[in-house]
Amino acid sequence: KAGVTQTPRYLIKTRGQQVTLSCSPISGHRSVSWYQQTPGQGLQFLFEYFSETQRNKGNFPGRFSGRQFSNSRSEMNVSTLELGDSALYLCASSLFAGARTDTQYFGPGTRLTVL
Amino acid sequence: AQSVAQPEDQVNVAEGNPLTVKCTYSVSGNPYLFWYVQYPNRGLQFLLKYITGDNLVKGSYGFEAEFNKSQTSFHLKKPSALVSDSALYFCAVRDGAGGFKTIFGAGTRLFVKA
Repeated sequence: KAGVTQTPRYLIKTRGQQVTLSCSPISGHRSVSWYQQTPGQGLQFLFEYFSETQRNKGNFPGRFSGRQFSNSRSEMNVSTLELGDSALYLCASSLFAGARTDTQYFGPGTRLTVL
Repeated sequence: AQSVAQPEDQVNVAEGNPLTVKCTYSVSGNPYLFWYVQYPNRGLQFLLKYITGDNLVKGSYGFEAEFNKSQTSFHLKKPSALVSDSALYFCAVRDGAGGFKTIFGAGTRLFVKA
């Protein structure tokens, strides 16, 4: 079974631009979560989707948004990019949502660099 | 609020020696704890999880973790370290309030020397 895939793997943008990242979960998985990883802040939760609905959101500004499609694929968007948005963005999928025992499986991430 | 702490930024161990990566947790209710490993330029790989039951949890690649409720700890262990185990290790707790949110520790970098 194919793992979680994320595209693109690398992105370079300039301040003020916007960016869209894509995540395809493991086949059959219905929950997708997004995390931001930086050296200073570590791994921080962005949001989680299940059945096209955002179920939980982390403490990020409104410039960060996401959505999930009917096939469970998810996208996240960052508008008006800032230098501090440079990070590795990780997507994780799991079978169900709200099941605290479920294991999340992570994709390889998208490395975003903002110049 | 749920939280985990990894008190060591870095752990150094010689190949063939046992390794321990420490994690303590603070949760309300039952703890659901996880360990992940991250290799350079890669995503996180699941190692093991504690849900309930036996305090010694077996995981992937020969790793295991010991859950200790009285000490609120969930330390990762391996009897014999390999150079290829060198990576960044994350302890995590699942926050079940309102959804599917995982809280990660700061991470511990493991160096295994040949």
